[in-house]
Amino acid sequence: AQTVTQSQPEMSVQEAETVTLSCTYDTSENNYYLFWYKQPPSRQMILVIRQEAYKQQNATENRFSVNFQKAAKSFSLKISDSQLGDTAMYFCAFTPDNTDKLIFGTGTRLQVFP
Amino acid sequence: EPEVTQTPSHQVTQMGQEVILRCVPISNHLYFYWYRQILGQKVEFLVSFYNNEISEKSEIFDDQFSVERPDGSNFTLKIRSTKLEDSAMYFCASSKDRNQETQYFGPGTRLLVL
Repeated sequence: AQTVTQSQPEMSVQEAETVTLSCTYDTSENNYYLFWYKQPPSRQMILVIRQEAYKQQNATENRFSVNFQKAAKSFSLKISDSQLGDTAMYFCAFTPDNTDKLIFGTGTRLQVFP
Repeated sequence: EPEVTQTPSHQVTQMGQEVILRCVPISNHLYFYWYRQILGQKVEFLVSFYNNEISEKSEIFDDQFSVERPDGSNFTLKIRSTKLEDSAMYFCASSKDRNQETQYFGPGTRLLVL
C-alpha cells in the first residue's frame, strides 16, 4: 500500500525560530515526486515545495527546505525564521510514477506564536 | 499569476438533491482533478481527467459521481443524489502533465448536505 504518515498532529514554534515537520511514506516505486502543501484557515491548498525522488539534492524555497532521505523514505520540512503567516495545516503528499493521484498524509497543524 | 477558480465557495443542499460543482482550471493545463476533504480528515483523491475522459478514479468515485468538461474552460463535478456523508470540502486541481507535474489547487467548495 502507498501511504504517507505525518506523526506530529500539532506543532508550535515561536516567531523567528526554526521548526521541522516530519513525514514518512511507503511505496515500492523508484520514481515519484514529493510535495508539501500548506492549508491556512481559508482552507486553500498552497504548494510550498516539491522534490523529485531521483534528485539527491534537497529542494529549497526561500525559508522552506526539505531533508529528503530516500532510503529511509523520509521527507521532512524545515521552516526557518518562522512568521505568523506560516500558521496553517501542512500536508505532506507524494505521487508515484504509475498514478495520477496525490496521496496525502493526515497533516500537521503548525501554530506560530509571537 | 494564473489560478484555479471554483464556484460556488459554499453550497448547502438537501439530501437526495443533485449538485454541480464548477471549476476553471489554469488555461494551459491538460490534466484536471477532483479531491475531497471531510472535515478534520485528510485530502482524498476522487478522479483525474484528461482528453475528455476519466484517466483514473478512486473507490469513492462511484456511480453517484460524474465529471465533465462542457466547454473549453469549465470542469465540473456532479453528485447525482447527495448523501449526508458527501458533506466535505471539494477541491479542483489542474496540472500541465500527469503525475510528476505539480498540481495546483483551487480554493475549494464547501458542500453541506442536510
